[in-house]
Amino acid sequence: DADVTQTPRNRITKTGKRIMLECSQTKGHDRMYWYRQDPGLGLRLIYYSFDVKDINKGEISDGYSVSRQAQAKFSLSLESAIPNQTALYFCATSDSGIRETQYFGPGTRLLVL
Amino acid sequence: AQKITQTQPGMFVQEKEAVTLDCTYDTSDPSYGLFWYKQPSSGEMIFLIYQGSYDQQNATEGRYSLNFQKARKSANLVISASQLGDSAMYFCAMRERPNFGNEKLTFGTGTRLTIIP
Repeated sequence: DADVTQTPRNRITKTGKRIMLECSQTKGHDRMYWYRQDPGLGLRLIYYSFDVKDINKGEISDGYSVSRQAQAKFSLSLESAIPNQTALYFCATSDSGIRETQYFGPGTRLLVL
Repeated sequence: AQKITQTQPGMFVQEKEAVTLDCTYDTSDPSYGLFWYKQPSSGEMIFLIYQGSYDQQNATEGRYSLNFQKARKSANLVISASQLGDSAMYFCAMRERPNFGNEKLTFGTGTRLTIIP
């Protein structure tokens, strides 16, 4: 089984709808992240959390919110989706060791019409 | 200014040849980490290799090695004996630590590598 899972894997929604993307991990890591990937722009950080009580904004947090329900679960919400939020969304986890290597989920392809 | 620069949008390499993917970075943080990820057409991000700013030796992981030139702020990925399965998008990324508890990973725009049979 995959260490980092994301649901759904694909989603089509309409402008103005609320949508939640979910991430679960079995790696036992404390740190979790949400990124979005747009063509030609690489990955950009939306939100990150270092433990259940810690939530931090990334460089592009406007229009998004997150919830860290447990050590293993980190959800990303789009309160009112808009077309320019169409992207590939990744969840990642890392431990707090020296490397802090981030391991990514398979991604969620979101299309906002 | 770009934190991570990958100047090669695309590369074509003959199978079994070695390939070097370029990455330069910009930071004033003395403590940082550099990563390379592979993204095949299926979309997942696969961790390949890590180099810490204080590491004395270049990192190696199987066919992957990182040519780390700290003074030049360069962290090129070298793939030896390329294989068809190496065809993918490759991203260089950097983790800075500007303030304790404010670590972030910044990605370059990627290089699309195509291996030719």
